[in-house]
Amino acid sequence: AQSVAQPEDQVNVAEGNPLTVKCTYSVSGNPYLFWYVQYPNRGLQFLLKYITGDNLVKGSYGFEAEFNKSQTSFHLKKPSALVSDSALYFCAVSGRENNDMRFGAGTRLTVKP
Amino acid sequence: DGGITQSPKYLFRKEGQNVTLSCEQNLNHDAMYWYRQDPGQGLRLIYYSQIVNDFQKGDIAEGYSVSREKKESFPLTVTSAQKNPTAFYLCASSNAWELSGSGELFFGEGSRLTVL
Repeated sequence: AQSVAQPEDQVNVAEGNPLTVKCTYSVSGNPYLFWYVQYPNRGLQFLLKYITGDNLVKGSYGFEAEFNKSQTSFHLKKPSALVSDSALYFCAVSGRENNDMRFGAGTRLTVKP
Repeated sequence: DGGITQSPKYLFRKEGQNVTLSCEQNLNHDAMYWYRQDPGQGLRLIYYSQIVNDFQKGDIAEGYSVSREKKESFPLTVTSAQKNPTAFYLCASSNAWELSGSGELFFGEGSRLTVL
């Protein structure tokens, strides 16, 4: 079955600095990759996804992610972090042969003023 | 407005009791999912359903049961056989059936179950 790993439990950045939240995946065949964000005691909100085509995917709130097949990675990035970006971020993968989506353990992003 | 509604938001249960969490969607999505969220463990898949009257076990189905009698509804029952049921439960849906897994999930606001 497919899986993702988020190697960092926590990422801290200063407001205005660029941010990166890391994700690596494991799946047979070509993957569908997703990023979601969760605010306290809420459901997850979709940010962006990679299906096919351009390796750089742009999503909501100025976030983007780069698909790297050779490194099996899909890191989330933003050029300039905001305090309001502070939340829990999840990477997820879905295989092309089944529809069950698997999530990473999550990375807590804290942006300090 | 279209979306997913989970109820109740908070639920307390005594040990040995079964409880049912409701999940309703009006997005006309074929696929629906139940995840369990525990601190530091991310989301773990309990059950999912790609079509009415059909569902599959996820990674942690033991102690849970589901039904899918209507497209809009996918209730989850936490039975007394679930050894550690205190958690945050999330329901989601997608149109993945048509898009072969490429559809993003739409989540409800979650139900927090506490066993006393």
